[in-house]
Order: sequence, then C-alpha cells, then structure tokens
Amino acid sequence: EAQVTQNPRYLITVTGKKLTVTCSQNMNHEYMSWYRQDPGLGLRQIYYSMNVEVTDKGDVPEGYKVSRKEKRNFPLILESPSPNQTSLYFCASSLRGFGGTEAFFGQGTRLTVV
Amino acid sequence: EDQVTQSPEALRLQEGESSSLNCSYTVSGLRGLFWYRQDPGKGPEFLFTLYSAGEEKEKERLKATLTKKESFLHITAPKPEDSATYLCAVQKRINSGGSNYKLTFGKGTLLTVNP
Repeated sequence: EAQVTQNPRYLITVTGKKLTVTCSQNMNHEYMSWYRQDPGLGLRQIYYSMNVEVTDKGDVPEGYKVSRKEKRNFPLILESPSPNQTSLYFCASSLRGFGGTEAFFGQGTRLTVV
Repeated sequence: EDQVTQSPEALRLQEGESSSLNCSYTVSGLRGLFWYRQDPGKGPEFLFTLYSAGEEKEKERLKATLTKKESFLHITAPKPEDSATYLCAVQKRINSGGSNYKLTFGKGTLLTVNP
C-alpha cells in the first residue's frame, strides 16, 4: 500500500530537549515536504526536499532542521523545541515537486512542548 | 504576496442540501489548483487538480470548477460522511525553468452535514 508514515503520532516534550520526527514514504517519490498546521493559520510549509541531499526552506523554517540522506526518509529535527512549536505536523511526498502530481500526506504528528 | 482565501470558514448543511465552497486566490504564475479533504486527526487526502479556467472535475457528489480568480467545490445532495474540512491549495513554480513547485494552502472550510 502506498503510504507516508510518520512517527511518533503523539509527542509531549519539554522545552529545549532535542527531538526528531521521522517520515518515510514507499512510493519512490523525489519530492518530500514538512508542514505544520495551526488553528486559524492553515497548513504552512517548513522545509522541502527535491531529492536526496537537496533541501530548502519553506515559509516557516526557523527552529527546524531536516536531512535527506535517503530517498525514502525525510526526518524533521527540532534541536531546541519551544512552546511555540506546539503544533500538528504533516509530512508529504509527491512524484515530482508537486508539478501536476498529487501530494500524499502522512497521518500527522501532534507535538506538545511544555 | 500569494494569497488563498476560502469561504465560508464553516458550513452546516442538512443531508441532501446542496451547496458550494469557495476558494479565491491571487497568485502570480499559477500552475494548478488542488482540493483536499481532511478528516479530524488525519492528513489531507487528495481530491482534484485543476489547471485552466473553465476546467471541471467530478467525483461522486463533488464537482470542482476553476475560473481565473477562484475555484468552487460544489457538493450535491451531501451525506453525513461528507463532513470534513476541505482545503484548497494553489501551486506555482518556484524556480525559473525548473520543475520545482510550491503549494500554498487556504485555511479550509469545515463542512458538517447533519442527518
């Protein structure tokens, strides 16, 4: 089954404790992206990756890091989480850079930073 | 600045009561417009892509249309299982001559269909 898998689904952490949210896709997609979704603000892009070892900032990259060492994986790293990073996070992938191809989204990771 | 505005923010319908959701946009270099459905606690699920004014796509009770300034998602005789948040996203090229695009999402319309 074609899917994008995120882990964990739920995470509560404390300010400043480094964490990683993993994302993996099994569709051999080139393009992967991270979004955060907040009430009243909608989905906003954090980072994206056009292919292995190629990443770039989205609209709200501050406080986040990403890496793309393998085609299927695109982890999101919060080096020093803060309460304003409490949000619902989604990973997405598509065959190319959303160039006419649909994006598949993961189930989401609900992060709470206290 | 690219903008995507969805209206209404929330819509409550009775089962069988047809209506439309609106997505208006101001984007330079629009490549396409996407509609997604999102159920509570889940990721967005792709519904349609529209590329040019006048284009229409249909899927079961849903029909999406596109003009140069807006898109409509028409829901005909909705059922309670159509209750969800519907998201509109516009796609534009982000590098000249390349194949990289960006999706900018609206805030969504929360649709509730009562039995």
